[in-house]
Amino acid sequence: ETGVTQSPTHLIKTRGQQVTLRCSSQSGHNTVSWYQQALGQGPQFIFQYYREEENGRGNFPPRFSGLQFPNYSSELNVNALELDDSALYLCASRTTGANTGELFFGEGSRLTVL
Amino acid sequence: KQEVTQIPAALSVPEGENLVLNCSFTDSAIYNLQWFRQDPGKGLTSLLLIQSSQREQTSGRLNASLDKSSGRSTLYIAASQPGDSATYLCAWRSSGNTGKLIFGQGTTLQVKP
Repeated sequence: ETGVTQSPTHLIKTRGQQVTLRCSSQSGHNTVSWYQQALGQGPQFIFQYYREEENGRGNFPPRFSGLQFPNYSSELNVNALELDDSALYLCASRTTGANTGELFFGEGSRLTVL
Repeated sequence: KQEVTQIPAALSVPEGENLVLNCSFTDSAIYNLQWFRQDPGKGLTSLLLIQSSQREQTSGRLNASLDKSSGRSTLYIAASQPGDSATYLCAWRSSGNTGKLIFGQGTTLQVKP
């Protein structure tokens, strides 16, 4: 039990649509990051939010955007969906400051784009 | 380019064997390295975290080592059990504030009864 919950667990969209994925972190975890994991691959870093601001981004286009809220919840939004966006999307959270930096992941949201 | 390579890609062993999974990374400016377990279709479960100042960490039957100079980490699993069957991923975090983890593609382990 990591204390990180994601919703929905599965969803199907069609090309060109928009999707919002949600994540709820552990209390006190003020840093949240999102990863995309294609089938058979390791997760790829999308971006990280700290205190409600994006402070790191991977090699993903602007149609991938996010929000972080004061209540330790966050969202990943993807616009103009493409077939290659089909993947498992993972949310992860951690504390900052004097800590180990250990990252805790949720169970993921499986997105299928048709 | 920052990369992580995991060898072997897949491994099948009989129950009870001791085994070693290998992970190599390209950047010596490492902040920490984390080993994860992933069951099919599931999220990642953190197994061990090694800070850059540490050489190894142990949890139960698992032991992970870190050699920054050679850019290598190993995960040792003692007395393997069928319940250990999963994909094992290593990921390292570079020094800095982004917290970005760079993952390998994983080693898929099957432990046969």
